[in-house]
Amino acid sequence: QKEVEQDPGPLSVPEGAIVSLNCTYSNSAFQYFMWYRQYSRKGPELLMYTYSSGNKEDGRFTAQVDKSSKYISLFIRDSQPSDSATYLCAMSLNSGGYQKVTFGTGTKLQVIP
Amino acid sequence: DTEVTQTPKHLVMGMTNKKSLKCEQHMGHRAMYWYKQKAKKPPELMFVYSYEKLSINESVPSRFSPECPNSSLLNLHLHALQPEDSALYLCASSQGWQRGLTRNTIYFGEGSWLTVV
Repeated sequence: QKEVEQDPGPLSVPEGAIVSLNCTYSNSAFQYFMWYRQYSRKGPELLMYTYSSGNKEDGRFTAQVDKSSKYISLFIRDSQPSDSATYLCAMSLNSGGYQKVTFGTGTKLQVIP
Repeated sequence: DTEVTQTPKHLVMGMTNKKSLKCEQHMGHRAMYWYKQKAKKPPELMFVYSYEKLSINESVPSRFSPECPNSSLLNLHLHALQPEDSALYLCASSQGWQRGLTRNTIYFGEGSWLTVV
């Protein structure tokens, strides 16, 4: 079993739809939970970051973490064509002065105008 | 400012060439990373420097040689690469360990696209 499982998609939705992206994990030691957005041929851009269970909202984006179920989600409201990208979930823990990060495999999202 | 700057953005090199990738951050971060990313795959860790000391080498071939001249700079020296080394090379940084730190996550640069011919 992989430490982090992410539905690879691809996911295709019409503009304005609500998008739900999900990851599960098996390592209860993870301390930080991130979502990165990666456009084609660019580096990953930090979208959302949290370290506790619950919801965190930033504009059209909501990150949800459920540590008891080992499940994280990213919701995108009113999706736009500019949201078309690959979304990577990532989880990390402190390891002697640096972050040990485990990535999901990424979900490719296409928002159709 | 959450910026990690990488140069060059694109690099084409022959298998006998020697080249370097450069990375700079001015966020005061004390951990810096090199990742390699192939198409449709997540980033794969290569090296970690923590407080300017090499902490992690993920069994990377010696044709890749990292260097951390100071806490803001990170280099990756390339020599005698193979075509299969063609990939997106990502530099990243994070704050390092601090007692009671609540915000400690990794920021990536835009990457250097490397093609080995």
